[in-house]
Parts: sequence; structure tokens; C-alpha cells
Amino acid sequence: GAVVSQHPSWVICKSGTSVKIECRSLDFQATTMFWYRQFPKQSLMLMATSNEGSKATYEQGVEKDKFLINHASLTLSTLTVTSAHPEDSSFYICSASRQAARPEQYFGPGTRLTVT
Amino acid sequence: AQRVTQPEKLLSVFKGAPVELKCNYSYSGSPELFWYVQYSRQRLQLLLRHISRESIKGFTADLNKGETSFHLKKPFAQEEDSAMYYCALSGNYGGATNKLIFGTGTLLAVQP
Repeated sequence: GAVVSQHPSWVICKSGTSVKIECRSLDFQATTMFWYRQFPKQSLMLMATSNEGSKATYEQGVEKDKFLINHASLTLSTLTVTSAHPEDSSFYICSASRQAARPEQYFGPGTRLTVT
Repeated sequence: AQRVTQPEKLLSVFKGAPVELKCNYSYSGSPELFWYVQYSRQRLQLLLRHISRESIKGFTADLNKGETSFHLKKPFAQEEDSAMYYCALSGNYGGATNKLIFGTGTLLAVQP
């Protein structure tokens, strides 16, 4: 149990376009979903935390207008990279936690974004 | 400030040798600590949580509040243990609960 999927697994887009990444909890309801960014050979950096039905909480230095997060249901969160630029190229990973009282997070496989 | 430090980027050992992956943390409250593992081309997955006091795949980790450490240990390394290991701290930050702060990770390479 506790499987998280992401779609797409990789995407290439042109500079200036927007890209949407989906994160789904397949066999549980996620009270909270998290979005991370991982640069090559580096650790995960938390971008934002989202709870179903409320606005996402962004980490310091993350542009909320550039990285739009929607958490419409207990099983789906989306990250939209707006007006993407080459520096947005990265590996984006989502995770989900089952209960507010339990901090374990279950991770998706990640989405490789390349902006040309 | 809340921080997780993994001092070693790479740890190379021979099969059958003991392994200790170091993790130190900085947190003002009562932390919850985890070890996550990422095998080649696979997603990040939970290996251990300190509150469970369990042994998974032969790995154990003890929280030492005096030394603010949560080192991961295994007495006899196996080749299949080769992976990237991340230590993570969960707590309350900036009004949000259950956020994870990750260390920079240690790549464990077990040589035959």
C-alpha cells in the first residue's frame, strides 16, 4: 500500500510554455502532499506543502506565481510550471502523507523536466 | 535553525564489512527522524523511522539526543545495499507540520 504516482515521468517543453505535473495517491487518501525539486547529485529541496482544498504553503525563495500548486482532492495534486525557462529544468518529486498525525511520506517516482 | 548533516558524500565498503552512515541534526524541539533509501533508478522509499525502533534489511538506527545523532548501521554489508541514503528530520516549521528536512545524502557503494 501507499503508492504514489506521477505523470508524466518526463517532459520536454519549449521556453515560455507551461507544464503541468500530476501527483496521485493510488491506494490511500493523502491529507498532505509535498513537492520537491532535486538537482543532479543533490538532495531534495522542499518547494511547497499542500493540503486538500486550501492554498499551498511555499518555502522561502520559491515563486508561487511560477510554480502553481492545486490540490483539488485527497488523491490528486498538480504542479504547473508557468512560463518555463531552461533554469527550471530539474527533477520534480511529489510525496504524500496519509494522516496528519503521522509524518511518514510516500514518494512518487519523479518527473524529469527539460526546458529547451 | 533546523538542519540535517550527512558528512559523507560517498562511503565505499567491501561486502561483509560493517557499515555506519552518519547523520547529525539540529532541532530545538523533539524531532522525529527517518532514513530514506533510493536504489538506482527507483523512487525514494522509507527505510527506518526512529520511533519504531525496528530493524529493516539488517539496518538499525538509534536516536542519540545527547549527541544529536541518528546514525544508520548494519553489521555486514551486502552488495544489494548499494544505494543513496538520506537522513530526514520531521517537525514543525513555519507553521506547517510534518515537513521533512533532508540531509545531502550518502552514496553507499558495497564492493564484492
